[in-house]
Amino acid sequence: DAGVIQSPRHEVTEMGQEVTLRCKPISGHDYLFWYRQTMMRGLELLIYFNNNVPIDDSGMPEDRFSAKMPNASFSTLKIQPSEPRDSAVYFCASRLGRINEQFFGPGTRLTVL
Amino acid sequence: AQKVTQAQTEISVVEKEDVTLDCVYETRDTTYYLFWYKQPPSGELVFLIRRNSFDEQNEISGRYSWNFQKSTSSFNFTITASQVVDSAVYFCALSEAGGAGSYQLTFGKGTKLSVIP
Repeated sequence: DAGVIQSPRHEVTEMGQEVTLRCKPISGHDYLFWYRQTMMRGLELLIYFNNNVPIDDSGMPEDRFSAKMPNASFSTLKIQPSEPRDSAVYFCASRLGRINEQFFGPGTRLTVL
Repeated sequence: AQKVTQAQTEISVVEKEDVTLDCVYETRDTTYYLFWYKQPPSGELVFLIRRNSFDEQNEISGRYSWNFQKSTSSFNFTITASQVVDSAVYFCALSEAGGAGSYQLTFGKGTKLSVIP
């Protein structure tokens, strides 16, 4: 079975541009998480969904960030407009049930110039 | 609030040495789960182990072993006879029910392990 799939793997964009990151969770998993990893702040939870419904978006840094999960097999994280401080690795993870382990995608390395 | 502390920021060992990575956690819940993840230089996060708060038995998987002690709120990870491929950042993480029963993960800052040939 395929793991969590993220695209693109690398994204370089200029300040002010819109960026969309994509995630396909493991089939059957009912939780989906978006994280951001930076050297300064480590791994931060941005938002998570349960059965496609956003449950907690308190980690989303600003209104420039938005996330959607239109169906059980697809989610997007959008940054509009992007800023250099958004440069980070963004991970998507999925989980089956409440207490089990999360499985992470390979991440998207975002560089905003 | 839950918290995970990995006091060792970086560790270097020579190949074949044993190494222990420390993890101390704080939680008010009686039911919680502890995890270890590995992040090799390629960047992905790899799940290693999950333990629940009711099971204090130590676990061994090949060269890896984990020591869970509720009395000291610790969940330490030992690699025996380390190899260069063990070089990575290792994260300890905690989940508890929380207000919404969500069992979100709280990660430690990670320990960077370098195994020198």
